[in-house]
Amino acid sequence: DAGVIQSPRHEVTEMGQEVTLRCKPISGHNSLFWYRQTMMRGLELLIYFNNNVPIDDSGMPEDRFSAKMPNASFSTLKIQPSEPRDSAVYFCASTSKWPYEQYFGPGTRLTVT
Amino acid sequence: AQTVTQSQPEMSVQEAETVTLSCTYDTSESNYYLFWYKQPPSRQMILVIRQEAYKQQNATENRFSVNFQKAAKSFSLKISDSQLGDTAMYFCAFMKETASKLTFGTGTRLQVTL
Repeated sequence: DAGVIQSPRHEVTEMGQEVTLRCKPISGHNSLFWYRQTMMRGLELLIYFNNNVPIDDSGMPEDRFSAKMPNASFSTLKIQPSEPRDSAVYFCASTSKWPYEQYFGPGTRLTVT
Repeated sequence: AQTVTQSQPEMSVQEAETVTLSCTYDTSESNYYLFWYKQPPSRQMILVIRQEAYKQQNATENRFSVNFQKAAKSFSLKISDSQLGDTAMYFCAFMKETASKLTFGTGTRLQVTL
């Protein structure tokens, strides 16, 4: 299996621009998670989906962030408009039923100038 | 809410030696899962080991083993025969129920030296 695939790997954008991060989970996994990693806040969950349905979006910072999972093999995280404080590494992870191990993608390093 | 604490920001160990990384957590749940993840400089998050709270037996994966003390809410990771490739950040993580979010500690940076 190819593992969790994320694109792009690096993104540099200017403040105010829209940013879209993409994730393809491992085939057969039914849960998908978006995490953000920063020096200040560490690793924190933004949102997760079970069977394409959002279950917990309490970690989404504000209305500028939105996430979708239109089908079992694709998810997007969108930031509009982006701000410098959104600069971070964004990870996507997926898991199947038992043994509930989450496998992470390589991450997207986002820099907003 | 669950919290995970890693009290050792940095540690160093010589190659071939053994090192133990500490992790404590706070929860009112009785059934949960604990994990250790490794993040090398490539920033890839790699699952190292998993422990189910209902199991008394400590998990082992090759050179990696855990000491799980449920009553003390402690979950330490022992790395035996340390190798240069073990140099990384190590994160302890808690999951309170099946297929739910991971709550991470702040990490321990491990340096393996010659």
